[in-house]
Amino acid sequence: SQQGEEDPQALSIQEGENATMNCSYKTSINNLQWYRQNSGRGLVHLILIRSNEREKHSGRLRVTLDTSKKSSSLLITASRAADTASYFCATDNYGQNFVFGPGTRLSVLP
Amino acid sequence: ETGVTQSPTHLIKTRGQQVTLRCSSQSGHNTVSWYQQALGQGPQFIFQYYREEENGRGNFPPRFSGLQFPNYSSELNVNALELDDSALYLCASSRIERTGFYEQFFGPGTRLTVL
Repeated sequence: SQQGEEDPQALSIQEGENATMNCSYKTSINNLQWYRQNSGRGLVHLILIRSNEREKHSGRLRVTLDTSKKSSSLLITASRAADTASYFCATDNYGQNFVFGPGTRLSVLP
Repeated sequence: ETGVTQSPTHLIKTRGQQVTLRCSSQSGHNTVSWYQQALGQGPQFIFQYYREEENGRGNFPPRFSGLQFPNYSSELNVNALELDDSALYLCASSRIERTGFYEQFFGPGTRLTVL
């Protein structure tokens, strides 16, 4: 079974709105990473947050990590149509492998 | 562009056949991982190679095998193809540091269809 579980499975918003996706995991991690995937192509790395970090920003992205609740959230502010994609969280257990969740499909409507 | 390339882009095989997928890692990276992504699912870890040796394996049968070459390019071989092997196969290259923190850079994937 996959460790990461994104929530919601699908999200539809209007351009300019904020989008929030959540990720829960089951075991201790070294770090957690968020990826974007457009139309079944390769994954694009968005942001990495280490287990000793609580919040990280990159442009319009804000990621939080709560290791006590084993959860993370990805916030995309002022969304654009180009943000339409699937978003995955992946947990890293000290480099052995990444465990991905099933993803959140985000649709940003113009 | 991540600098990770995969070939071929698409491939159609029949059940029982064998297939080889190829990946060229990003310059300076010493690790390559392979993932299988079924339609509508997240990627599933197949295995990882570090300095030409297998460094971890997911829940895949032995008919899934791999190689990593001295130039850090890699192959994924699948024998006795089954219909359920139809998926997008992704390779990801990275550089494992002593801190254990690293980012994976993914190639565009190979879409395999088994008929």
